[in-house]
Amino acid sequence: AQSVSQHNHHVILSEAASLELGCNYSYGGTVNLFWYVQYPGQHLQLLLKYFSGDPLVKGIKGFEAEFIKSKFSFNLRKPSVQWSDTAEYFCAVNARGGSYIPTFGRGTSLIVHP
Amino acid sequence: GAGVSQSPSNKVTEKGKDVELRCDPISGHTALYWYRQSLGQGLEFLIYFQGNSAPDKSGLPSDRFSAERTGGSVSTLTIQRTQQEDSAVYLCASSSWTSGRGETQYFGPGTRLLVL
Repeated sequence: AQSVSQHNHHVILSEAASLELGCNYSYGGTVNLFWYVQYPGQHLQLLLKYFSGDPLVKGIKGFEAEFIKSKFSFNLRKPSVQWSDTAEYFCAVNARGGSYIPTFGRGTSLIVHP
Repeated sequence: GAGVSQSPSNKVTEKGKDVELRCDPISGHTALYWYRQSLGQGLEFLIYFQGNSAPDKSGLPSDRFSAERTGGSVSTLTIQRTQQEDSAVYLCASSSWTSGRGETQYFGPGTRLLVL
């Protein structure tokens, strides 16, 4: 079974700072990778996803993530955060050829100070 | 179109009572998932329905938990003899299954359950 580890549980930044949230997974086969975001008072929604092709994936609101297969990582980045990026961020992985049920990390709470 | 809806949005119950949580997925989505989210924890998978296949119940924490999906649409998660540790936000998500690669999940607002 796969597992997902998000190393940063709480991150506090000032506006315009750069962001990188770590995500590592354990699974030896081919995977699909996701980042979901939950803004205060809102539903979980997809930020970006990787299935195949270019390992650098662009998402909404200026976010991107890079899949590094050799490191089993899918870190989320944004060069300059805004106050509106304050949210909970979840990394998820599912295994191709399996049941496709995604496994989620514990989440990272990001607070951006104006 | 309408997103995933869940009801009730909040539920307070006494220990030992049964509760039913409802999920209405996006129309046409064949896959439906239930998760539990406790404070400071990630999303804990509970159960998964895909079309007419037998559900994957591997995430249900005990036999007090059960779920059904009627007509391939609405799903109900039932917790019998609730315990205080069942207090959490219960999330439902649905997705299409066009390619079998694991499509984007669309989440509902959740039901916040508090067991006193």
